[in-house]
Amino acid sequence: QQQVKQSPQSLIVQKGGISIINCAYENTAFDYFPWYQQFPGKGPALLIAIRPDVSEKKEGRFTISFNKSAKQFSLHIMDSQPGDSATYFCAASNQAGTALIFGKGTTLSVSS
Amino acid sequence: KAGVTQTPRYLIKTRGQQVTLSCSPISGHRSVSWYQQTPGQGLQFLFEYFSETQRNKGNFPGRFSGRQFSNSRSEMNVSTLELGDSALYLCASSLAQVAGSPLHFGNGTRLTVT
Repeated sequence: QQQVKQSPQSLIVQKGGISIINCAYENTAFDYFPWYQQFPGKGPALLIAIRPDVSEKKEGRFTISFNKSAKQFSLHIMDSQPGDSATYFCAASNQAGTALIFGKGTTLSVSS
Repeated sequence: KAGVTQTPRYLIKTRGQQVTLSCSPISGHRSVSWYQQTPGQGLQFLFEYFSETQRNKGNFPGRFSGRQFSNSRSEMNVSTLELGDSALYLCASSLAQVAGSPLHFGNGTRLTVT
């Protein structure tokens, strides 16, 4: 019940395309869903986060879509750029976001 | 503001030894969390400290311990090292006074156990 399942494991997208990464959870007590981006040799950095009271949140080229009834949420990266090539992690928490349960990550490669 | 600082960046230890990792949070952040990152298990929560008290703990054996000092700096200790403890250990700090305060991660300490 504590798992967050993330897919796909890896993703190759053409420059300018849309990257979509999906996550699913089981614990209905989760109330905070962030996405993190990690470059090699660096720690994860928060991209965008959402709470269950909204179905979508957009920040620049990054959008989270949230489906509470299906217990799923996804990250959409519009107009993907080579600089977006990184590993993306979804996560969930029910304790002010400090004890995060992470998905296994998606390695995104944007080809130019 | 300076980010989260972790020292050392790299460590090589022998099985059976113990190791201490250090983390300096962002100024003003009173919550420090520790995570273990491995290729197989991904990112796993170890524990969280707030105002020198362990507030939350993940599912790791007692060989993993931590503490937080009055200046919010934190240390993590792993005793009786095993080969499987080889990982990137990440520290993250947050305000943790507002629900959903983002975690700010350091660049980690890469521990190799031989």
